[in-house]
Amino acid sequence: AQRVTQPEKLLSVFKGAPVELKCNYSYSGSPELFWYVQYSRQRLQLLLRHISRESIKGFTADLNKGETSFHLKKPFAQEEDSAMYYCALSGGGRGAQKLVFGQGTRLTINP
Amino acid sequence: DVKVTQSSRYLVKRTGEKVFLECVQDMDHENMFWYRQDPGLGLRLIYFSYDVKMKEKGDIPEGYSVSREKKERFSLILESASTNQTSMYLCASTQTGGFYEQYFGPGTRLTVT
Repeated sequence: AQRVTQPEKLLSVFKGAPVELKCNYSYSGSPELFWYVQYSRQRLQLLLRHISRESIKGFTADLNKGETSFHLKKPFAQEEDSAMYYCALSGGGRGAQKLVFGQGTRLTINP
Repeated sequence: DVKVTQSSRYLVKRTGEKVFLECVQDMDHENMFWYRQDPGLGLRLIYFSYDVKMKEKGDIPEGYSVSREKKERFSLILESASTNQTSMYLCASTQTGGFYEQYFGPGTRLTVT
């Protein structure tokens, strides 16, 4: 069964400090992993995906298949990073379009 | 610019009422989804559709049905609304063929009293 776990419901850090949002997954095959973000009063949107190997808004995420993790990191947090973050998994094949989401982590950046 | 629109931002219904939530996308996407978003539970898939008139159950389909008569429109139906269906409902769409981004609507906050 596919499962995504975000162990932290809430995360609070100071501006300029490093940020790491944890994501662990359970899947028997080779999944594709995503991070989605929802800023206040905005719709949910894609932040980054593993397949693109991109850094978006200073965020990066590395897929660690040994630890089945896809943690989101940023070296220096900014106040505009405050948002709800969701990790998501796609199993590929015919169901490539389906996503399984984690519980979400609300990130607050304190000034 | 992809646009996914939902018919209502806020909706208040009474227990037992039949409720229709409408979603329209303008990017000719084959796949459309309905999720509910609850604090601490994340997004859970209710139903999805990969083509007109085609649908598959998601993880929590009980108490819901869907309709997709046209490619751009995907409706979620609560046959007899109950208080435990009070939630934020999100619609999304994406194209077929790979690990593409899902585009989300603004959400409908449904309250069942």
